[in-house]
Amino acid sequence: AQSVTQLGSHVSVSEGALVLLRCNYSSSVPPYLFWYVQYPNQGLQLLLKYTSAATLVKGINGFEAEFKKSETSFHLTKPSAHMSDAAEYFCAVSLNTGNQFYFGTGTSLTVIP
Amino acid sequence: NAGVTQTPKFRVLKTGQSMTLLCAQDMNHEYMYWYRQDPGMGLRLIHYSVGEGTTAKGEVPDGYNVSRLKKQNFLLGLESAAPSQTSVYFCASSWIAGGPGELFFGEGSRLTVL
Repeated sequence: AQSVTQLGSHVSVSEGALVLLRCNYSSSVPPYLFWYVQYPNQGLQLLLKYTSAATLVKGINGFEAEFKKSETSFHLTKPSAHMSDAAEYFCAVSLNTGNQFYFGTGTSLTVIP
Repeated sequence: NAGVTQTPKFRVLKTGQSMTLLCAQDMNHEYMYWYRQDPGMGLRLIHYSVGEGTTAKGEVPDGYNVSRLKKQNFLLGLESAAPSQTSVYFCASSWIAGGPGELFFGEGSRLTVL
């Protein structure tokens, strides 16, 4: 079975500071990787996805993530945090041959003014 | 554009009662999923469907049943609710399994079992 590990269930950053949310996956084959964001009392929305086209993926709202096969990582970054970035972030993995998406346990991002 | 719509959004049940959550999508997606979200556990897949008339078990299927009689609808049923089923339930759909596709989520249904 696939698994996704998100290090740090809670991350706090100051407004304007770098955002780094960590995600590691276990997969015997190159997976498809996703980052989703969930605002309070809402469903999840796609931030960005890696589909083997390029290792550095740019998403919405200034977020980006880099796929590093040697480290089995897909960390999410944003150069400058904004108050509106406060939310829960989920990393997910899926295989081309499967029908299932596997989610990490999520990281809650707090942005301090 | 409605996307994925879940009804009801809130429900309180007593132990042993039954209920059905309805998910409807208007994007002509083949794949539909039911997840539950619990604090500290992320999203866990309950059941999914790869097309009309098909269903399959996910990670945590016990205590739930599903049906996909129409392509646009995916129903999640609890025959005898238990307090352990108190959770937020999310329906999602996708136009292709895994691959470059993405999941489109509903806004969630919050269920409390007393």
